[in-house]
Amino acid sequence: SQTIHQWPATLVQPVGSPLSLECTVEGTSNPNLYWYRQAAGRGLQLLFYSVGIGQISSEVPQNLSASRPQDRQFILSSKKLLLSDSGFYLCAWSANVRESYNEQFFGPGTRLTVL
Amino acid sequence: GIQVEQSPPDLILQEGANSTLRCNFSDSVNNLQWFHQNPWGQLINLFYIPSGTKQNGRLSATTVATERYSLLYISSSQTTDSGVYFCAVVSSGTYKYIFGTGTRLKVLA
Repeated sequence: SQTIHQWPATLVQPVGSPLSLECTVEGTSNPNLYWYRQAAGRGLQLLFYSVGIGQISSEVPQNLSASRPQDRQFILSSKKLLLSDSGFYLCAWSANVRESYNEQFFGPGTRLTVL
Repeated sequence: GIQVEQSPPDLILQEGANSTLRCNFSDSVNNLQWFHQNPWGQLINLFYIPSGTKQNGRLSATTVATERYSLLYISSSQTTDSGVYFCAVVSSGTYKYIFGTGTRLKVLA
């Protein structure tokens, strides 16, 4: 069966520091991968998605970037964090099947606080 | 882009009551999912339901794609049903899920 891992679970970082959040998926190959952010009490905002290694689509102009160095690894980064980057970051995967069954599954999330 | 609206935004129920949550979307979709976000933030898959009706225990869902809405029914609610319920859709020709703003449910003992 497939599993998705995220780490760290919680993170407190000072403004201006770098960020690296990692997401890995097991039990599947060539998945679509997604990064979302959820502000407190709000809905989910899609940040990035990837349909293959090195293929990243950005949805929102921001202080963040994403990379996919391996098939089942998705990394969210920032060179300098802003206060507004605080939130709950969720990674998700779906099967890479064009316009067909691609139920999305979420990881446990990383709660980031920027001080 | 496609718009996804959920209603009601907030709902308070007594344990044992039934409820209906609604998700409206503004364009044709290939996929639709319902999620429950528990108090710890975990998103739990409830239904993958681009069309038709499905049931899982006390929960059931119906999507009428031609009329651009989906309904989630919760019967005999329990305190563990509390949390936020999201619907998410994938519009035709994309791989992106767009989430609604959610319905926050609180079930009182």
